[in-house]
Amino acid sequence: EVQLVESGGGLVQPGGSLRLSCAASGFTFSSYTINWVRQAPGKGLEWVSSISSSGATRYYADSVKGRLTISRDNTKNSLYLQMNSLRAEDTAVYYCARISWSSRQHDYWGQGTLVTVSS
Amino acid sequence: QSALTQPASVSGSPGQSITISCTGTSSDVGGYNFVSWYQQHPGKAPKLMIYEVSNRPSGVSNRLSGSKSGNTASLAISGLQAEDEADYYCSSYTSSSTWVFGGGTKLTVL
Repeated sequence: EVQLVESGGGLVQPGGSLRLSCAASGFTFSSYTINWVRQAPGKGLEWVSSISSSGATRYYADSVKGRLTISRDNTKNSLYLQMNSLRAEDTAVYYCARISWSSRQHDYWGQGTLVTVSS
Repeated sequence: QSALTQPASVSGSPGQSITISCTGTSSDVGGYNFVSWYQQHPGKAPKLMIYEVSNRPSGVSNRLSGSKSGNTASLAISGLQAEDEADYYCSSYTSSSTWVFGGGTKLTVL
């Protein structure tokens, strides 16, 4: 069974940092592109970042470029999102989602982890 | 990276049919058949319902169907049931090698 489990969310002050993790199981993690997608309270889904299966290629939404860094450790079946210089508008549930590359869809999602940026 | 345009809400009575539109540009919806649709119930993670414009994953009801014309994709749900009440999001791969989501549509089953 494919599973993605996010962790690391919490309350952080504006300007602070946080590192999210996503633990994968039930599939060959090193063969898949993985995305981070977030959802602000009461709002819609927003694509945040993408990392290729090898980790060599990374993309970011303009809203997070330069502040959030995606990475992965294929030996640990884990995905990460280092979040620096956090702003109130980064408050959201952060989901990791597996990409089925042949058709570019998010085929499996984690349950999400809540990040709250507030003083 | 502007969001795809969806109606904020749609509604229908049990047994009726509804359609949700998703409008983008030639750089996303119109340029690729990589349009997918997701269902999200309150407090839950999104669930893939349609991929590559019109394909249903195993286990998804055949009451759901997808289509695309130009820069606009559509999700149709026939024979509405109470369990269909949820938020629905479209998504497309883009020419920038990124993804974009629609703003979401709240489906109410009257």
